[in-house]
Amino acid sequence: DTVLTQSPALAVSPGERVSISCRASEGVNSYMHWYQQKPGQQPKLLIYKASNLASGVPARFSGSGSGTDFTLTIDPVEADDTATYFCQQSWNDPYTFGAGTKLELK
Amino acid sequence: QVQLQQSGAELAKPGSSVKISCKASGYTFTSYYISWIKQTTGQGLEYIGYINTGSGGTNYNEKFKGKATLTVDKSSSTAFMQLSSLTPDDSAVYYCARILFDWYFDFWGPGTMVTVSS
Repeated sequence: DTVLTQSPALAVSPGERVSISCRASEGVNSYMHWYQQKPGQQPKLLIYKASNLASGVPARFSGSGSGTDFTLTIDPVEADDTATYFCQQSWNDPYTFGAGTKLELK
Repeated sequence: QVQLQQSGAELAKPGSSVKISCKASGYTFTSYYISWIKQTTGQGLEYIGYINTGSGGTNYNEKFKGKATLTVDKSSSTAFMQLSSLTPDDSAVYYCARILFDWYFDFWGPGTMVTVSS
């Protein structure tokens, strides 16, 4: 299975820019997607196919990358962005998720 | 608006089965596949499989073959997942999600917690 590696946690101050990385153990073309999950809630789609903003998602969120290295960027970070962020690939079977990056605000 | 409504929490004994449901509304049910995802603290998010809501055809993650069975009732716009031969390792929150044709999940249900305990 394709393993997606994310850093476990980040802490930033409101107004700053933060980049969350996701590295795949093998190429996934541009088939990388990003989700936000707040405690007690279901995940919410933020970015699909590496760089496409999902409907209703603020333009503060953006995605980039291809192949094995991908980044989710939030600029500027707001207090409401406290959450865990997951990447997911759909190029290789089975589809897999990263373990998540917990974003905390200082 | 798109909504996926899931059935309530289940407490099941080892060796038994449970069947959880996911009722869709706000869109044409048969135009999108439904997928199921398992979430645990230890293993994170795991893709179980998807069902073609029009034909009933299925695709499973090899890990969940024999464990999960996906079905659909088009008349009620509801997808189902049966989990069999339950063990404590099956304790998790199970989500249904609408899956688009680039194979990402654009809407998720609120989740169903399954607890397996004697």
